[in-house]
Amino acid sequence: DGGITQSPKYLFRKEGQNVTLSCEQNLNHDAMYWYRQDPGQGLRLIYYSQIVNDFQKGDIAEGYSVSREKKESFPLTVTSAQKNPTAFYLCASSPRKSSYNSPLHFGNGTRLTVT
Amino acid sequence: GQQLNQSPQSMFIQEGEDVSMNCTSSSIFNTWLWYKQDPGEGPVLLIALYKAGELTSNGRLTAQFGITRKDSFLNISASIPSDVGIYFCAGLGGSQGNLIFGKGTKLSVKP
Repeated sequence: DGGITQSPKYLFRKEGQNVTLSCEQNLNHDAMYWYRQDPGQGLRLIYYSQIVNDFQKGDIAEGYSVSREKKESFPLTVTSAQKNPTAFYLCASSPRKSSYNSPLHFGNGTRLTVT
Repeated sequence: GQQLNQSPQSMFIQEGEDVSMNCTSSSIFNTWLWYKQDPGEGPVLLIALYKAGELTSNGRLTAQFGITRKDSFLNISASIPSDVGIYFCAGLGGSQGNLIFGKGTKLSVKP
């Protein structure tokens, strides 16, 4: 079945360590996204990529980095510079970037806890 | 920046009741989307709306794209226990074309 796979489901890290969250899609979608979700909040956009080897900052990019070396993969690194990294991270993809008739499809998320 | 006001924040339902929630904005959107999120899972698309005034159904769910393009509502008829979860609206518009999400409506079952 086609879909978006995020791994791992739960991740625990010590403060000061960088950590990379995996996101893979086999939907042949051009665009991929990373969102952060905090309790009682809507989804906030961290980074997005419309095409391989290109990505753009979203609303809350500080303390995060991404790469898009392959169409199907869009890993997110949470760096030690991110002041409040504990959150639920969601990866999504769409056939084209957020345009008409191209809704987002989400993975099942990674819950990151930093202590 | 653009913001969506989603209400209510939370509500309790009894099986069989109808449920209504809405999203409003001071900005115009070209697309409205409604998602449902179960605990610990990613949001799943329920209904997509692309035209002002459009009314679309998906089983017991009905959503409308407001005629002013600044609002949308979602109705659930005859609710069942598996309807519990968080419902998000999302609007697409603006110069960058990024999707803007509401803060969600949490649906719980009445004790």
